[in-house]
Amino acid sequence: AQSVTQPDIHITVSEGASLELRCNYSYGATPYLFWYVQSPGQGLQLLLKYFSGDTLVQGIKGFEAEFKRSQSSFNLRKPSVHWSDAAEYFCAVWDSGNTPLVFGKGTRLSVIA
Amino acid sequence: GAVVSQHPSRVICKSGTSVKIECRSLDFQATTMFWYRQFPKQSLMLMATSNEGSKATYEQGVEKDKFLINHASLTLSTLTVTSAHPEDSSFYICSAITGGRTEAFFGQGTRLTVV
Repeated sequence: AQSVTQPDIHITVSEGASLELRCNYSYGATPYLFWYVQSPGQGLQLLLKYFSGDTLVQGIKGFEAEFKRSQSSFNLRKPSVHWSDAAEYFCAVWDSGNTPLVFGKGTRLSVIA
Repeated sequence: GAVVSQHPSRVICKSGTSVKIECRSLDFQATTMFWYRQFPKQSLMLMATSNEGSKATYEQGVEKDKFLINHASLTLSTLTVTSAHPEDSSFYICSAITGGRTEAFFGQGTRLTVV
C-alpha cells in the first residue's frame, strides 16, 4: 500500500530564509506526487504536482519540488520565505485510476520576523 | 483547472439532527468522489469512496449508517451526517476525479460543529 511520510511535524523559519519540507513515499512504481497548502480553516490549495518528465517541478507562490526516485523523496523548497507562507503543508501520493490521494501527516510552517 | 464546489462551508447543528453536505463538480463529470475528514491539526483521513450510481465504499472504522453517502449523478455527491453528536464535529472535504485527469480536485471543505 502507498504511504507518505513527512518527518517534520513543525518547522519554524525566519522570514527571508530558505525552506525545505521533506516528503518520502512508499510505492512500487512512480506515483503522482503532490504538495498542498492549507491555511487555518481553509481548504487545500495545490502548490505543484509531479507525474513524469523533468524531476524539478515549479509551482505557484515561488515553490518548487524535486523528485528523487533513488531516495523516494519529493521535497518542497522555497528560496525565500514570506510571512504569508505560514500554513500547513501536505505531501500526497496518488497512483491514478479510481483511487484516493494518500496524504502525509502534514508539516506546520511558522514564519518569524 | 476543474472546479469542485462544496456546500455549505460552515454549519452548526444541534445534537441529534442530520446535516447534508453537497459536493459538486462544476465543469467536469466526476466518475469517483472521495470524502475526507480532518480533525484539528491533523491530516486528511479518507472516509469513503463513491462511484456514480453505486454504493459507497467505506474505510474501516467509518460507520456507514451514520455517514450516508449518495453519488446520484456524475456531478453531485452528498454526505449526510445522521443523528449528529459533538464528536462528529470536524472539517469534511470532498474530492473528485475523472478519467484521464492527472490530479484530484478538492472542494473548499465544510466545518461542521455539533452543539
